[in-house]
This record gives sequence, C-alpha cells and structure tokens, in this order.
Amino acid sequence: DAGITQSPRHKVTETGTPVTLRCHQTENHRYMYWYRQDPGHGLRLIHYSYGVKDTDKGEVSDGYSVSRSKTEDFLLTLESATSSQTSVYFCAISAEDSNQPQHFGDGTRLSIL
Amino acid sequence: GDSVTQMEGPVTLSEEAFLTINCTYTATGYPSLFWYVQYPGEGLQLLLKATKADDKGSNKGFEATYRKETTSFHLEKGSVQVSDSAVYFCALSRSDKLIFGTGTRLQVFP
Repeated sequence: DAGITQSPRHKVTETGTPVTLRCHQTENHRYMYWYRQDPGHGLRLIHYSYGVKDTDKGEVSDGYSVSRSKTEDFLLTLESATSSQTSVYFCAISAEDSNQPQHFGDGTRLSIL
Repeated sequence: GDSVTQMEGPVTLSEEAFLTINCTYTATGYPSLFWYVQYPGEGLQLLLKATKADDKGSNKGFEATYRKETTSFHLEKGSVQVSDSAVYFCALSRSDKLIFGTGTRLQVFP
C-alpha cells in the first residue's frame, strides 16, 4: 500500500471555526490532491499540488485553502467551517505521469455542527 | 468539459452471477481510463486501468476494455463473490487530474 496518512481520521467541530486536515506521504510523489466525497456526487477535486509551494484549484475550491511547504505534507484548511463542508475528505498522491494512477488515503470524516 | 457517467445503483446480485457496470465518458483526445473500488470505511483502491483505445485492463477477475468508438469502459466480472460488495468508480485522467463518475454500489448476496 502507498504510504499515505491522513489526520485526523474523524473530527467534529462547530460552524465558524478553522479546521486543518493533514496529508502525509512517504512515497516522494510529486502530485498531491484533496477531494471531498458526498452522496450523489462521487469524488470532487478541491485543490491539488504539483510540487512544493505549487498548488492549483479544483472544481470545488471555494472556502478551502491549501499549503505544501514540504514534499511529504499537504494541508487543507477550512478558514471558517460551514455545515455544507460536512463531508469525507480524501487525500491522494501520484507520480509524474498522468497515466499513473492516484493512490488514496483512508479519509477524514468531518462533521460541522 | 470532460465527464464520466456511470449507471445508477445499487446493483444487487447473487453470488456467482455475472456483473456489468456501465461507464461512458466525454472527453477530447484519448485520456487514460480507470476503475477504482471503495470498500466500507476505506479509501479508493485502483482496480484496473487502460491507457489507449482497445486496451483491456484486468485484475482480480474484473475486466474493462477501452472502447473509443462507443466512448465506454464497462466493468465486467464473470462470477461475483460476496467480498466484491463495494462502491465502484469509473474515472478518466485529464491534465494530471482525475474526473470521477458518481460511483455504483454493488451488493452481492450469498
């Protein structure tokens, strides 16, 4: 299995609070991704990174920011959480080539009350 | 824009039945195509992939053929097991990103 660790695995918080999710990889892969999974929507890309300090938006980036200061870590931040951001969040990594598959972490279940 | 359409679920089968999960895509050019599987409480795992037209991906008894003429990548298995119960996602690659279908839940009963 690809070495991907997401933390925390579960979190419950209140509307308006900041939340940071962490993805850590041991594979030295260039690309890292954050997705959210919601019923009826499959997986939707929030942000991704193609190198240290190089990030770009996905299709559902509003309300989220990311940072990648080291190859192995990719942080997702909800500056002021809203109930619509209750979801399961997955991190994924992939090597250089777009034909290479992405490998996924086990997810973080985030509930915003 | 690029998109992936999967059949609605759940798909309910008896053990040893034949499985087909339909997947069609809309894309410019020739993206790579993937099937991922998600077991309860886990992340997605790559099941198989195909990188060009007429390629057949296969793994664990599952197969899918990249059909350019019908823009399809249907997943098949000849004899399903209870342990195959999961959610299956079809996806295409575009500019180092994946575009996923909405997933199809498979339930296999003994």
